[in-house]
Amino acid sequence: GNSVTQMEGPVTLSEEAFLTINCTYTATGYPSLFWYVQYPGEGLQLLLKATKADDKGSNKGFEATYRKETTSFHLEKGSVQVSDSAVYFCALSEKQQGGSEKLVFGKGTKLTVNP
Amino acid sequence: GAGVSQSPRYKVAKRGQDVALRCDPISGHVSLFWYQQALGQGPEFLTYFQNEAQLDKSGLPSDRFFAERPEGSVSTLKIQRTQQEDSAVYLCASSLLRNSPLHFGNGTRLTVT
Repeated sequence: GNSVTQMEGPVTLSEEAFLTINCTYTATGYPSLFWYVQYPGEGLQLLLKATKADDKGSNKGFEATYRKETTSFHLEKGSVQVSDSAVYFCALSEKQQGGSEKLVFGKGTKLTVNP
Repeated sequence: GAGVSQSPRYKVAKRGQDVALRCDPISGHVSLFWYQQALGQGPEFLTYFQNEAQLDKSGLPSDRFFAERPEGSVSTLKIQRTQQEDSAVYLCASSLLRNSPLHFGNGTRLTVT
C-alpha cells in the first residue's frame, strides 16, 4: 500500500537556522502531497500542498516541491523562528471507495527552535 | 465556535468499558473523517462519512469500533470493550466538500487502564 517516510526527529535548531525535513513516499498513481503542522495543544493544520509533479507548495516561508523522479516532498525554510516549534507531518492522499481521498501520514517530526 | 470541536478532550477508561467520543464538525461540512493517532505515530484513517452515509469504514481496526453520523452533522465514535491497545488520540476532521481542505479538531486522548 501507499506509505510516507519522513525524517526522524526530534530536530533542534537555533533561530534563523535553515530547516530541511525529508519526506519520501511510495504510491501507485499520482497522489497529492501535503505538509501538516501541529502546534502544541492545537489540532493539525494544513501547512502547504502540491497536487502534481514539479509543483511547489509554499506558506509562511515554508516550501516543498513535488519530485516525482525521487518520490520526495522535502520541507524547507530558510530562517526558522521560535514560533515554528511544532510537529510536522508529511502526508499523501489516496483515493478510496466512496470517492473520498483519505490521507496517509508519516510519523511526524518534532521541531524545536531555540532563541 | 468556528472550528471542529471534539469532546471529551481526555477520557480514561478501564479495560472492558465502552466509550463514546463526539465530534462536532464545522457547520455545513459534508465530509467527516475519523483518524487514530497512537503515541509517536502519524494519524491513521478509521472511517469516512459523506453527510449521514458512512462510505468507507475500511480503517476500523475491529468490530468493537463503530461510528455514526445519523443527521449528517455530529458524529460519534464508539469503542466497545476497550483494550489497552485502543489508547490513542482520536482525531475528527471535516471538509466542506468531498476533496476540500480538511479541518482537524484537537482530538480526544483515550487512555485505557
